[in-house]
Amino acid sequence: NAGVMQNPRHLVRRRGQEARLRCSPMKGHSHVYWYRQLPEEGLKFMVYLQKENIIDESGMPKERFSAEFPKEGPSILRIQQVVRGDSAAYFCASSARGPSYTEAFFGQGTRLTVV
Amino acid sequence: GQQLNQSPQSMFIQEGEDVSMNCTSSSIFNTWLWYKQDPGEGPVLLIALYKAGELTSNGRLTAQFGITRKDSFLNISASIPSDVGIYFCAGQNNNNDMRFGAGTRLTVKP
Repeated sequence: NAGVMQNPRHLVRRRGQEARLRCSPMKGHSHVYWYRQLPEEGLKFMVYLQKENIIDESGMPKERFSAEFPKEGPSILRIQQVVRGDSAAYFCASSARGPSYTEAFFGQGTRLTVV
Repeated sequence: GQQLNQSPQSMFIQEGEDVSMNCTSSSIFNTWLWYKQDPGEGPVLLIALYKAGELTSNGRLTAQFGITRKDSFLNISASIPSDVGIYFCAGQNNNNDMRFGAGTRLTVKP
């Protein structure tokens, strides 16, 4: 049973380009969370999604950032017109539904560098 | 939004010493989770707590879910060099929404 898969592991983009980060949850998991981590800092919540629904996007910047989790395929975090300040590690986690299965497991992250 | 306060921010200890860190929140959570992150890697789940007052162990790690449901602590006994890393607490509410503390950076001196 594969864990949470994120790709790419490393992504370099020039200012103004688009960045697409992918997250495939663990098998059977229908909840996905995206977090951002700057060097030497903690995990900052961005967005929480279930299949085809955004449940909580209170941590997402209002502009340039969007996330989706379609019925089929991975969850995508999209950053349009990237700026240097977007450089960070982006982690996703997935969990299953139900009070006994709320543990969330993380992927290895995508490290975005904007040059 | 929900805020988690994790302390201490960092710890420098000798190998063999015990470690204690905690998290407090202004909100009630239904689940508390503790993660460890090694450099360049994603966080790895250590312990999950589901009931107020619950005390759970995983090897040398022990964690408790506070009675008020607004706090949790993690203890590491007889620390070893591989315990080095960043430890995060996370709280989860009824909607499965999950928030993290800022982390405790642990350094273990041999």
